[in-house]
Formats: sequence, structure tokens, C-alpha cells
Amino acid sequence: EADIYQTPRYLVIGTGKKITLECSQTMGHDKMYWYQQDPGMELHLIHYSYGVNSTEKGDLSSESTVSRIRTEHFPLTLESARPSHTSQYLCASRVQGPYNEQFFGPGTRLTVL
Amino acid sequence: AQSVTQPDIHITVSEGASLELRCNYSYGATPYLFWYVQSPGQGLQLLLKYFSGDTLVQGIKGFEAEFKRSQSSFNLRKPSVHWSDAAEYFCAVGSTGANNLFFGTGTRLTVIP
Repeated sequence: EADIYQTPRYLVIGTGKKITLECSQTMGHDKMYWYQQDPGMELHLIHYSYGVNSTEKGDLSSESTVSRIRTEHFPLTLESARPSHTSQYLCASRVQGPYNEQFFGPGTRLTVL
Repeated sequence: AQSVTQPDIHITVSEGASLELRCNYSYGATPYLFWYVQSPGQGLQLLLKYFSGDTLVQGIKGFEAEFKRSQSSFNLRKPSVHWSDAAEYFCAVGSTGANNLFFGTGTRLTVIP
């Protein structure tokens, strides 16, 4: 079944730890995105990719990094987590073509103590 | 600059009552408009979208939305709300070739018996 997956769904971790949030999609989409979502706020784009070996920073500055070695996989890494990184992280992908419809994963809720 | 405004942070309606969620956008190019719904702990699910043509669009779960260019609005409606409609609703705007979607801050819908 074509879908978009995120793991872990919930993560509680201490300050200074390195973490990787996983995102995979089985829809064959070239374009993938990472958003940060906080309560009462709009979704903010932090990274996007147009395809393999393509990564760009989004509108919201983030200390995280991403990689795109395979079409279906777009992991996000925080080298040293801080409490300010506590948030919900949503991964999305988009079908190729002129339209911008995005499909979202279930999200990872990260808490940094 | 692109922006999306959802003026209602929280709306409470009785089950069976009609619903209208407001969305206003500011976008220089021809906009593509979307409504997404997010249940607690979940990602965003597409309800409906407008690209061109008929300004009244039908979506899933009995929702519809009307694009009014003169008012820069894309309000979401449902004639009879069900308890399962309680969720957060996000309006978003994009255009051809845009890197990403711009989201509103969301409207939280509570449905009372």
C-alpha cells in the first residue's frame, strides 16, 4: 500500500543527544518536505528535497540536517538536541507535476529534556 | 508576501449543526488552495483542493469549499457536523512551481452532543 511513514512516533530524549527522525514513502514521489509544527502555529517548512542528492533549507531556520540518498527515504538529524527542539515534526511528499498537493506522514513528537 | 489567515482559533458547534471555517489568503500568483484536517496525534489529511474551474469544490467526508477571488477567501463548509469531525483544520495556499505550501494557524473544531 502506498503510504508515508515516520518513526519514531514519540521520542523523549535528553539534552545533547544525537537523534535521527526517519521518513519513508512508498509512493515514488520525488519531492519531500519536513515541517515543524507547534501548538497554535502554522506549519513551518524546515527542509525540502526535489530528488536524490537534492536538499534545501526551508523558510524556518533549523539546526537540523537532512539527506536524500534514496528516493523513498528522507531522514532528519539533530546532532545535539536541545529543549528548544521540542516540537512535532511532520514529513510530507508530493507527486511530480504542476500541482502542490502534499501527502503527510503521522508525525514525530519530540521532547527534549 | 504569501500568507494565510484563519481568523477563528477555536469553534464549537453542536452535532448536526452546519459549519463554516474561514480562510483568507494573500498570494501574488494564481493560488492553489487546500484544506487539510488533523486529528490528535496524527498527520494532515487532505479534505479538498482547488486548482481552477468550478469555484465550489467537493471533498471527502461531506465537506465543500468555495473559492471567492474577489474576497481572497476559501471557506470550508459542511451542512451537518458529526462528532467525528472534531479535529484541527488547516487552510493552505501554493502555486505552480512553489517550493512548498503556506499554512494558516489552524482552527480547532469542537463538536458537542
